[in-house]
Amino acid sequence: GESVGLHLPTLSVQEGDNSIINCAYSNSASDYFIWYKQESGKGPQFIIDIRSNMDKRQGQRVTVLLNKTVKHLSLQIAATQPGDSAVYFCAGNGNQFYFGTGTSLTVIP
Amino acid sequence: KAGVTQTPRYLIKTRGQQVTLSCSPISGHRSVSWYQQTPGQGLQFLFEYFSETQRNKGNFPGRFSGRQFSNSRSEMNVSTLELGDSALYLCASSSFGSAWGDTQYFGPGTRLTVL
Repeated sequence: GESVGLHLPTLSVQEGDNSIINCAYSNSASDYFIWYKQESGKGPQFIIDIRSNMDKRQGQRVTVLLNKTVKHLSLQIAATQPGDSAVYFCAGNGNQFYFGTGTSLTVIP
Repeated sequence: KAGVTQTPRYLIKTRGQQVTLSCSPISGHRSVSWYQQTPGQGLQFLFEYFSETQRNKGNFPGRFSGRQFSNSRSEMNVSTLELGDSALYLCASSSFGSAWGDTQYFGPGTRLTVL
């Protein structure tokens, strides 16, 4: 069946460093992807999205890269801050949204 | 614009009881999806509604049901609660739904504890 997965369940980075969170998907028909951030006790918060006609999209301190050849996308967070500590999910569309299991990012001050 | 709201935020029930959760989508959004989130399983899709019709359903037993009203508000119901139903239930809304490549926004969730 269709799936979206994240490569690492946990990631620790030093404050100020860049973070890279990876995600793989299986459905070639997915043409829209979203990254979400979920803080403890809260619902997932939209961070950035990308459509399949793009390879890269930039937001404020975040960049999403999409490699359709290997069905892989990544989220890059520049100058990671303590407030970035959260669980990050990728989601790909289809007849429903498919979510990865999440990467828990911890920022070390 | 107000975000997705869910009520109640917390619920404690006992096994065998039933529960109804409510979701109000972002104004103008016609699609509402429900998810169950548990530490071991991550986000699991329950169902998606669009214009009062269930458009898609995940792999959950018939004890889980939902509906959508003409104002796009949605409810989900779980009957005969089991301990394993303890989870965070999330509602998400979008203009037209996932198949349209539509951005989906989440509510804060309802934390259900079954004792």
